[in-house]
Amino acid sequence: GENVEQHPSTLSVQEGDSAVIKCTYSDSASNYFPWYKQELGKRPQLIIDIRSNVGEKKDQRIAVTLNKTAKHFSLHITETQPEDSAVYFCAASIRDTGTASKLTFGTGTRLQVTL
Amino acid sequence: DGGITQSPKYLFRKEGQNVTLSCEQNLNHDAMYWYRQDPGQGLRLIYYSQIVNDFQKGDIAEGYSVSREKKESFPLTVTSAQKNPTAFYLCASSRYYPLARPTDTQYFGPGTRLTVL
Repeated sequence: GENVEQHPSTLSVQEGDSAVIKCTYSDSASNYFPWYKQELGKRPQLIIDIRSNVGEKKDQRIAVTLNKTAKHFSLHITETQPEDSAVYFCAASIRDTGTASKLTFGTGTRLQVTL
Repeated sequence: DGGITQSPKYLFRKEGQNVTLSCEQNLNHDAMYWYRQDPGQGLRLIYYSQIVNDFQKGDIAEGYSVSREKKESFPLTVTSAQKNPTAFYLCASSRYYPLARPTDTQYFGPGTRLTVL
């Protein structure tokens, strides 16, 4: 089955700096890659996603890049703010007609934005 | 994701007991999922259901059971066969169109924290 590795496990940045979280996946058939943000004790919330036919996607301060050849994708957060502090999870799935999306998650990155 | 509810928020189980976690959604989603989250780990898929009266095992189904009698509801039973059930359990739902590529976004409920006494 699919295996997703995520690095780093913890990341501390100063407010205003950029943060980058990287994930690799094993199954070349994976074609959908969402990123979730989870605050302490809360539910994961989707912040951005990308499909395999796109190399990059941006939404304000958040961007995701995908390298299908190398089978890795990354989350970039610019101008970080204290409210960005949370655990971030990447995930991958093989999404095709006839099957529901089964997500395989990375182990998470705890991002701490310091003042 | 406010349309997915889970109950109870906290649940305590004694050794040898079965317990059932509730998940309800009013988003008109066909697909529903159960995940388990342990500290320092990502979410692992227990069971999922694409449509009513159908469900499939995920990666860690042993010791768990589910039913899908209604579109809105997907309860999870943690049986006594699950030897290490203490964890945070998350339910999710998404759209599902069998003949097309649908929106894949999974929306999560608030979770149930299960502790074995």
